[in-house]
Amino acid sequence: DVLMTQTPVSLPVSLGGQVSISCRSSQSLVHSDGNTYLHWYLQKPGQSPQLLIYRVSNRFSGVPDRFSGSGSGTDFTLKISRVEPEDLGVYYCLQSTHFPLTFGSGTKLEIK
Amino acid sequence: QVQLKESGPGLVQPSQTLSLTCTVSGFSLTSNSVHWVRQPPGKGLEWVGAIWSGGSTDYNSALKSRLSISRDTSKSQVFLKMNSLQTEDTAIYFCTRRWELDYWGQGVMVTVSS
Repeated sequence: DVLMTQTPVSLPVSLGGQVSISCRSSQSLVHSDGNTYLHWYLQKPGQSPQLLIYRVSNRFSGVPDRFSGSGSGTDFTLKISRVEPEDLGVYYCLQSTHFPLTFGSGTKLEIK
Repeated sequence: QVQLKESGPGLVQPSQTLSLTCTVSGFSLTSNSVHWVRQPPGKGLEWVGAIWSGGSTDYNSALKSRLSISRDTSKSQVFLKMNSLQTEDTAIYFCTRRWELDYWGQGVMVTVSS
């Protein structure tokens, strides 16, 4: 199985600040079709995960441009700028290039 | 709009079989895959398995021997059956859509306990 190593585990932030979350995979996430199936989610307390970024850098419908994704191969980053209270929760990365699909262990974004 | 909703029993006895239903609307099962993901209380997310638009399935190898996913396209429903349940299967079970898991149901809490 592809291991997704997500860091940090916890991320204190000041409102209005900027943060980055890292996700590293144990093998390349480039699919044979040329796409890289690495996605980012936010799970707010008591809610289902919600898709933020798909295929590395594409913002999902309705996601503000404060969220951006980058990376390639095995190394990926989610950046959040101008953090707002609604951004707090646990962030997960997911790879769907290889079976089984595997998630990172999560990064909890909390107020400093 | 796209919606998914899970339903099923909240409590299952150990060694028994879990049966969950995901009822979808706003899209066709013959054009989209549906996945099951679970989350034990206070823990992270685990992919359980999927049924593809053509009807084939893929399962997490750790669960494969106990798991079956099927569908009824006429009712827009996807079914998960997992047998020989243990306490470690206690989790919120979500259904979600497509490779990028773009839309999610609200989840259903399943507790395995006698």
